[in-house]
Amino acid sequence: NAGVTQTPKFQVLKTGQSMTLQCAQDMNHEYMSWYRQDPGMGLRLIHYSVGAGITDQGEVPNGYNVSRSTTEDFPLRLLSAAPSQTSVYFCASSYDRGDEAFFGQGTRLTVV
Amino acid sequence: AQSVTQLGSHVSVSEGALVLLRCNYSSSVPPYLFWYVQYPNQGLQLLLKYTSAATLVKGINGFEAEFKKSETSFHLTKPSAHMSDAAEYFCAVSGNNDMRFGAGTRLTVKP
Repeated sequence: NAGVTQTPKFQVLKTGQSMTLQCAQDMNHEYMSWYRQDPGMGLRLIHYSVGAGITDQGEVPNGYNVSRSTTEDFPLRLLSAAPSQTSVYFCASSYDRGDEAFFGQGTRLTVV
Repeated sequence: AQSVTQLGSHVSVSEGALVLLRCNYSSSVPPYLFWYVQYPNQGLQLLLKYTSAATLVKGINGFEAEFKKSETSFHLTKPSAHMSDAAEYFCAVSGNNDMRFGAGTRLTVKP
């Protein structure tokens, strides 16, 4: 039972580069979300999805894109990386809004 | 949109002492409330959740939280701290379709 799988675990990007953070879950959850974690700021919601084909913006969506073509996958795209996007990124999924969210192990991204 | 405020970014207690971590929420719809714990270099794990069944919620590792609608609070407590409780704790609220987290409280347990 893999749960929520994020890849890569670590990444260093140069300013202006683009990349995709991958997230996959095998629990048939409808709800999926991306968060970034910065010291003293907790987890801030970037984008979320309530099902395949449906996405919406969270608190800090600028500079990020998402799509949800399947129930299992929810990739996060950085269009043009900036140093301000240096952070730890977590993907999470849940069956419904009142249910426990399961988290991936995180991706530590550094933009230089 | 819903939001969470955690009072105190850092709490320090002695081993065996009471743990009290404070959380206040704001939500335009009846909320679901959660406490998560994060150990260093790991993801988040659920401690407990409130989903309107009972106002006093018991979780894992001896933690519990009480939902107080009149105070819009969901404080986390544990009667006796253990060294293994040292971690960062996050309160979260799920209102409409998304889950929002507080800034976190780092718990230190002194021997």
